[in-house]
Amino acid sequence: DQQVKQNSPSLSVQEGRISILNCDYTNSMFDYFLWYKKYPAEGPTFLISISSIKDKNEDGRFTVFLNKSAKHLSLHIVPSQPGDSAVYFCAAFSGAGKSTFGDGTTLTVKP
Amino acid sequence: NAGVTQTPKFRVLKTGQSMTLLCAQDMNHEYMYWYRQDPGMGLRLIHYSVGEGTTAKGEVPDGYNVSRLKKQNFLLGLESAAPSQTSVYFCASSYLGPDRRWNTGELFFGEGSRLTVL
Repeated sequence: DQQVKQNSPSLSVQEGRISILNCDYTNSMFDYFLWYKKYPAEGPTFLISISSIKDKNEDGRFTVFLNKSAKHLSLHIVPSQPGDSAVYFCAAFSGAGKSTFGDGTTLTVKP
Repeated sequence: NAGVTQTPKFRVLKTGQSMTLLCAQDMNHEYMYWYRQDPGMGLRLIHYSVGEGTTAKGEVPDGYNVSRLKKQNFLLGLESAAPSQTSVYFCASSYLGPDRRWNTGELFFGEGSRLTVL
């Protein structure tokens, strides 16, 4: 059973608008939730994270929201830029040292 | 700093051959991981290590072995390659968190190694 799910394989938005990427999880024991960004032929890079005891974390254009009752988190990118076009992975981390990843959402930001 | 370096970047094997992927990190991180990524899927954990001389199984460990003889290196071995092991392999490392007990999950990835098994 997949513990972390990203139900939208792709998302297309216009430059300057908001991008909202979603992620659902099933295990209430995760300690941190993270978003990674991946360009083709490169490794993923860390973007932003949130502790399981918080409900929001903001870093510049990127904000992550955590809804523990719904077991849902989302990444908001405002304003979206063409350079944000990439695959975004949601990951959930347990204190035992392991991260579980979703299947990714491909974001395309059109100029 | 080079960060996390993987070698080789590309490799083609025949079924039944063996090989080793090398991961090196220069950030003095305690934790190291090997993931595989298949088309349309996320990263799946193969094996990981929480310190020199220790290893543990992840989600998909069958057909792989690992060793962490030095803190900066984490080796992934395929004893007898199979076509199902055709994938892109990513090594990652991470550090202990502020209280020196758990890390916060932030992973530093290498660029990946593309392996094809014919």
